[in-house]
Amino acid sequence: QISLKESGPALVKPTQTLTLTCTFSGFSLSTREVAVGWIRQPPGKALEWLALIYWDNSKHYSPSLQSRLTISKDTSKNQVVLTMTNIDPVDTAAYYCAHRTGSGNWYFDYWGQGILVTISS
Amino acid sequence: EIVLTQSPDFQSVTPKEKVTITCRASQNIGTSLHWYQQKPGQSPKLLIKRASQSFSGVPSRFSGSGSGTDFTLTINGLEAEDAATYYCHQSFIFPLTFGGGTKVEIK
Repeated sequence: QISLKESGPALVKPTQTLTLTCTFSGFSLSTREVAVGWIRQPPGKALEWLALIYWDNSKHYSPSLQSRLTISKDTSKNQVVLTMTNIDPVDTAAYYCAHRTGSGNWYFDYWGQGILVTISS
Repeated sequence: EIVLTQSPDFQSVTPKEKVTITCRASQNIGTSLHWYQQKPGQSPKLLIKRASQSFSGVPSRFSGSGSGTDFTLTINGLEAEDAATYYCHQSFIFPLTFGGGTKVEIK
């Protein structure tokens, strides 16, 4: 079955670069019509989509964060990596990765457990 | 950007009651609308895909309807385990967006 798990630092200093890794199983990102996305959730707030990468390596980013985000995949390791530069305390949030499928009317069906990242000096 | 407006923000409901949550899109999104349940300390879980299709393993008391700009999530016969925040999400166009959430509390 499909599972995903996020990993990375729990505490990051302002202005640094945050690197998060999503390690997954139960599917391959070389299979057509598959994608992995990143979504975050500040404490007590709503979900916010960040970035998406498809099986064919095409990518999409949130316009408000595009200049700070990079998403990449390592198909051989079953991993997707998200980097966010110039981190600020407002970036404190739980970060989730999720499997996306649906071929034409896509949806996130399986999510990781999330990782809480706190930005503080 | 498509804005999703959920209502109500909060609902306190007695077990076995019917719950209705609405999600309004700022423009026509067809059926590219999905519903998630998030319990405290957990990640979101898919309930309804494509406006009205139940996801595998989801109890039959959860149903979705709507198309275009107006969508509804219904819980027929609320159970104590349904206490959670519910989010709608559109995948019609980038950037992907989520509604602000509806918190359902059990009386």
